[in-house]
Formats: sequence, structure tokens, C-alpha cells
Amino acid sequence: NAGVMQNPRHLVRRRGQEARLRCSPVKGHSHVYWYRQLPEEGLKFMVYLQKENIIDESGMPKERFSAEFPKEGPSILRIQQVVRGDSAAYFCASSPGDRVYNSPLHFGNGTRLTVT
Amino acid sequence: TQLLEQSPQFLSIQEGENLTVYCNSSSVFSSLQWYRQEPGEGPVLLVTVVTGGEVKKLKRLTFQFGDARKDSSLHITAAQPGDTGLYLCAGAQGQGGKLIFGQGTELSVKP
Repeated sequence: NAGVMQNPRHLVRRRGQEARLRCSPVKGHSHVYWYRQLPEEGLKFMVYLQKENIIDESGMPKERFSAEFPKEGPSILRIQQVVRGDSAAYFCASSPGDRVYNSPLHFGNGTRLTVT
Repeated sequence: TQLLEQSPQFLSIQEGENLTVYCNSSSVFSSLQWYRQEPGEGPVLLVTVVTGGEVKKLKRLTFQFGDARKDSSLHITAAQPGDTGLYLCAGAQGQGGKLIFGQGTELSVKP
């Protein structure tokens, strides 16, 4: 069974470029979450999506960041006009349901974004 | 802003010693989870506790959820070098997977 697949594992972008991070959830999981882990900080929730819908984006910066989870294909986290402060590890997690106590999150191994 | 304070931040012990990691908050959580994260990898779920006062055991690891569901602890008995890693607690305030994570405890167990 394939777990959550994230790519690329490492991404280097210059300031002002766009970063596109991809996440393929566990087969059959329709709930996807994106978290960001900054150096020396814990994981911070960014956005929660179900197929074709954004359920909760309260942790997403209002500008330059967007996320989607189309009917077909992976979930995409898009960061436009990246700045150095966007450098972090971005983790995607999926679950089969919306009850975390009986539908635990499965995390991918993350995409490490470096902005130069 | 809801916070989950995890302590200690770093812990270096000898093989065979016992240790406890704490996770505290002023907020009530519907459930609390403990994860372990290896360098370069994503967090892996160890346990979920739901009921106030609940105790769960996983081999040498004992997890406890506070009666008021605001705090939790992880106790490791007779630590081994293989226990080395980053331990994270995470609280859920609703039913979904929007979790509030603690800052983590970096554990190093020396042989």
C-alpha cells in the first residue's frame, strides 16, 4: 500500500518565483491537510481540503498561497512570488474520514522548500 | 491563539533510564495524539487518546490524557537507542484533522 506521496522532496526557488508542491493521498482517502514546519518550530496547520472543496483555510496566508484538490489528480499547494520566509518543510496528510480520533492522519515525507 | 506547550524541548539520557515528556495547554481538546518524527520524514502516529484520564500503553511507552483533557504525558520505560527521535503532541479541538502541534521534544538515548 502506497502512503502519502509528496513531490518534489526538495525544491529550490529564487525570490519571486512560483513553487508548486504536489501531494497524492493514500488511495481512497478524500481528506487532505497541508502543514508547514518552520526551522525550530512545530507543525502549523495551513489548509484542509476535500475533493474539489476547501473546507478550512484559516492557517493559510491570505496572499500568495493557494491550494486545490481536484476531482482527478493530486492536491497542489501553490506559492506565488516566494520570499525567503517561505523556506520550510511542507507536509501533506490524508485521512479517510473527518473524525481524527478514528480516521488518523497519514503524513507524507514532506517537500523542503528553499528560497534563495 | 491556542497553544500546546511541550517540555522538555531537548532530552539526552543513557540507555535504560526512564523519561517523561509533557504536553500542556489552557485549552480543552477533543482528542490528543502523539507522533514520532525521524529526520527527513513525516510524523508517524503513535497513539490517540480521547477520554479524560485515559491511559494507553504501547510496549514501553505509556500515554496519559489529563482528566480535564488539557494536558497529556508520554512516559518511556527503560529507554533504548532506537527510541531516539522527535516526539510531537498534537491536539484536536473539533472532529477533523486540524491539529495544534507542540514544538516537539528531541530525545537522544545514548548506548
